[in-house]
Amino acid sequence: EVQLVESGGGLVQPGGSLRLSCAASGFTFSSYWMSWVRQAPGKGLEWVANIKQDGSEKYYVDSVKGRFTISRDNAKNSLYLQMNSLRAEDTAVYYCARDPTNYDSSYMDVWGKGTTVTVSS
Amino acid sequence: EIVMTQSPATLSVSPGERATLSCRASQSVSSNLAWYQQKPGQAPRLLIYGASTRATGIPARFSGSGSGTEFTLTISSLQSEDFAVYYCQQYNNWPRTFGPGTKVDIK
Repeated sequence: EVQLVESGGGLVQPGGSLRLSCAASGFTFSSYWMSWVRQAPGKGLEWVANIKQDGSEKYYVDSVKGRFTISRDNAKNSLYLQMNSLRAEDTAVYYCARDPTNYDSSYMDVWGKGTTVTVSS
Repeated sequence: EIVMTQSPATLSVSPGERATLSCRASQSVSSNLAWYQQKPGQAPRLLIYGASTRATGIPARFSGSGSGTEFTLTISSLQSEDFAVYYCQQYNNWPRTFGPGTKVDIK
């Protein structure tokens, strides 16, 4: 079964850091671009970042550039999102998702259940 | 950045009826348009990509159409499990962007 499982969410103070992880199984992880997408409470979906199969290309939405870093470990079938200088507006459910096309902009065909990040003092 | 809009914001439909949801892009996205379904407390699920191709396992009652800037998702006969929020997403231009969603609820 194709599966993505996120972890690492929690409560953090403004200005703090958090590292999210996503464990992939059931498919050849190293063959796919991967993305992070977030959803603020009661709001819509926002793509955050994505990374190429070998990690050589990474893209970010403007609001997180310089604060978030996406990375992957293909040997561990894992995707990560290092989040620094967190703000209240980063509060959201963060989803890990698979990009099935071989382009830097894609739809997403497999999603994890999400992990919740709350930034509050 | 391409701005996606969806209408209506809420659609009240009776089970068995047809539902038609609209999505508009601020500039042409060709056929690079996807639709997702999201139920409360769940992750989004891909329904349609390429504007009209159903994703694996998606029932035939879901269909997508359109190209350029105007797109439609049609649910031919609503089932109880179809009441949810539906999002469109363009992936023609970076960054990929989503519409605000249409909530389909029970009339």
